[in-house]
Amino acid sequence: GQQVMQIPQYQHVQEGEDFTTYCNSSTTLSNIQWYKQRPGGHPVFLIQLVKSGEVKKQKRLTFQFGEAKKNSSLHITATQTTDVGTYFCAEYVKTSYDKVIFGPGTSLSVIP
Amino acid sequence: DAGVIQSPRHEVTEMGQEVTLRCKPISGHNSLFWYRQTMMRGLELLIYFNNNVPIDDSGMPEDRFSAKMPNASFSTLKIQPSEPRDSAVYFCASSFGLWGRDDSTDTQYFGPGTRLTVL
Repeated sequence: GQQVMQIPQYQHVQEGEDFTTYCNSSTTLSNIQWYKQRPGGHPVFLIQLVKSGEVKKQKRLTFQFGEAKKNSSLHITATQTTDVGTYFCAEYVKTSYDKVIFGPGTSLSVIP
Repeated sequence: DAGVIQSPRHEVTEMGQEVTLRCKPISGHNSLFWYRQTMMRGLELLIYFNNNVPIDDSGMPEDRFSAKMPNASFSTLKIQPSEPRDSAVYFCASSFGLWGRDDSTDTQYFGPGTRLTVL
């Protein structure tokens, strides 16, 4: 069935270092969304990517959709302690029913 | 807007008891989603509604789980009887439309979740 892979599962970085998480799908995606969940909190929408090769930026966050629309990445430049949390990609799958599948997430720890 | 409202925030119950989780979506949103989150299985979609109608309940683990949406402003997720393996955080989310239209961003807004512990 449909699977979404995310790597790495965990990442510990020193404050100020960069961070990247990758999302890979077994099939071509129509679009992909990224969410952030702070410890003890709930997922919060960050962005949606639709077009092949699309790159979007939000301050220190850069999101990219692969040319083949099978993978995506989130890159954080110069991490801060406020970046701590789990980052999920989520893909929309259209089969007999519309379905949303979340990746397992990448947990980011930032050491001050 | 208060966002998605869930109650209770925490629930501790004993195995075999009935548990009812409640959700009030954001006013004007047409889609409502129930998720379960555990360390082992991550974030799983249980069921979602569009215009109060269940669209896909293939994620509901078994017959002990049931969900209803009697009107646009209220939904329940019921577990009867509850088991220890049901312990998880249950999130409700709502969105304006059904995700999938390339020209739209049908953002899902999550509630704070209900942390369920079944002893």
